[in-house]
Amino acid sequence: NAGVTQTPKFQVLKTGQSMTLQCAQDMNHNSMYWYRQDPGMGLRLIYYSASEGTTDKGEVPNGYNVSRLNKREFSLRLESAAPSQTSVYFCASSVTGTLGTEAFFGQGTRLTVV
Amino acid sequence: AQSVTQLGSHVSVSEGALVLLRCNYSSSVPPYLFWYVQYPNQGLQLLLKYTTGATLVKGINGFEAEFKKSETSFHLTKPSAHMSDAAEYFCAVSDWVTGFQKLVFGTGTRLLVSP
Repeated sequence: NAGVTQTPKFQVLKTGQSMTLQCAQDMNHNSMYWYRQDPGMGLRLIYYSASEGTTDKGEVPNGYNVSRLNKREFSLRLESAAPSQTSVYFCASSVTGTLGTEAFFGQGTRLTVV
Repeated sequence: AQSVTQLGSHVSVSEGALVLLRCNYSSSVPPYLFWYVQYPNQGLQLLLKYTTGATLVKGINGFEAEFKKSETSFHLTKPSAHMSDAAEYFCAVSDWVTGFQKLVFGTGTRLLVSP
């Protein structure tokens, strides 16, 4: 089972460039998430999609946009990359957004903005 | 809002020794708590979770955690460390906002296991 698949795995951008991080899940999950992981800060929620057709801001949404393309896919876009967006990005999904539901994570995208 | 605090960014143990990773939570409602593990260059994998019922929760790879309401703690333990346990461990708590669960993660504890 593929689970949650993220592309690309690595990316280097110049300041001001744009890019889209792709995420797809094959578990028929309703809810999807984007997190960023920074040293000493754990994982912080950027955006989430409770169900197909809805998206909401998380803890650190500035500089990002998202699209829930369909039930399987949830993309994260950086319109004008900044060095502060250098991070490891994780996509996750869960069956629903109900309490106690575990999230399944992709392997991450390591992004460097120079 | 709910939060978790992980004490110690790094914990070092010898192979065969007890593993104890600490997590304290802050929650205004009965918490739902999780431990995740991240191996190098991989995503996060669920170790165990506490929702309701038994306060001692057993997970994969011999790990377990005990929910202690009086101490607002959910510490992760393993009786005997193995080299393969070297990884980063994250405690998380459910935050329920506008009818949707979001996981709030701690800052992580890196477990180092020496021969």
